[in-house]
Amino acid sequence: DAKTTQPPSMDCAEGRAANLPCNHSTISGNEYVYWYRQIHSQGPQYIIHGLKNNETNEMASLIITEDRKSSTLILPHATLRDTAVYYCIVSPGGTSYGKLTFGQGTILTVHP
Amino acid sequence: KAGVTQTPRYLIKTRGQQVTLSCSPISGHRSVSWYQQTPGQGLQFLFEYFSETQRNKGNFPGRFSGRQFSNSRSEMNVSTLELGDSALYLCASSPLAGATYEQYFGPGTRLTVT
Repeated sequence: DAKTTQPPSMDCAEGRAANLPCNHSTISGNEYVYWYRQIHSQGPQYIIHGLKNNETNEMASLIITEDRKSSTLILPHATLRDTAVYYCIVSPGGTSYGKLTFGQGTILTVHP
Repeated sequence: KAGVTQTPRYLIKTRGQQVTLSCSPISGHRSVSWYQQTPGQGLQFLFEYFSETQRNKGNFPGRFSGRQFSNSRSEMNVSTLELGDSALYLCASSPLAGATYEQYFGPGTRLTVT
């Protein structure tokens, strides 16, 4: 699986957009970009995934660059409950057979 | 729909004992994966089961095993427990919709080995 690079920590003011970057310069053509987050002492929560097009759901937006070497997760209006560790994962989808390789992630702290 | 459930939530065992953890996936999900989370190693993949068959396995010793039942419920077993097995054990289920593989995690079982 391709390796990802994320900043170790970021801060965001409540109500503002949180933009979390991820670098995956060795991504292969069949690999998807997944984002998960883990709030303290809970199981990880799936947020969004994409292949090459930008994606949006009720939680967030995912912007993938045209060369697919990096992506940005956008939380449009961050709240205190969005404080968590955010993981960017690159995986080949169905052929991964369940294996997600988690890195260290980005600790996002949302301030009042 | 109910989420992924894991039992027990907390467990204390002694070195040398064995332990069995249980996971009930989201209704309709046939794939179940297990992960171990420790402060030092982070989240690490243990194995995945689909239709009662183990399809993938991480780099863990043979003391870690699992199985899946016909109703997709899964159990994992750790034999001859070591202090280093103290961790949060997470189960995740997936609907396997299309070519993607988003997984939905349970709250985890926190195992403490003394």
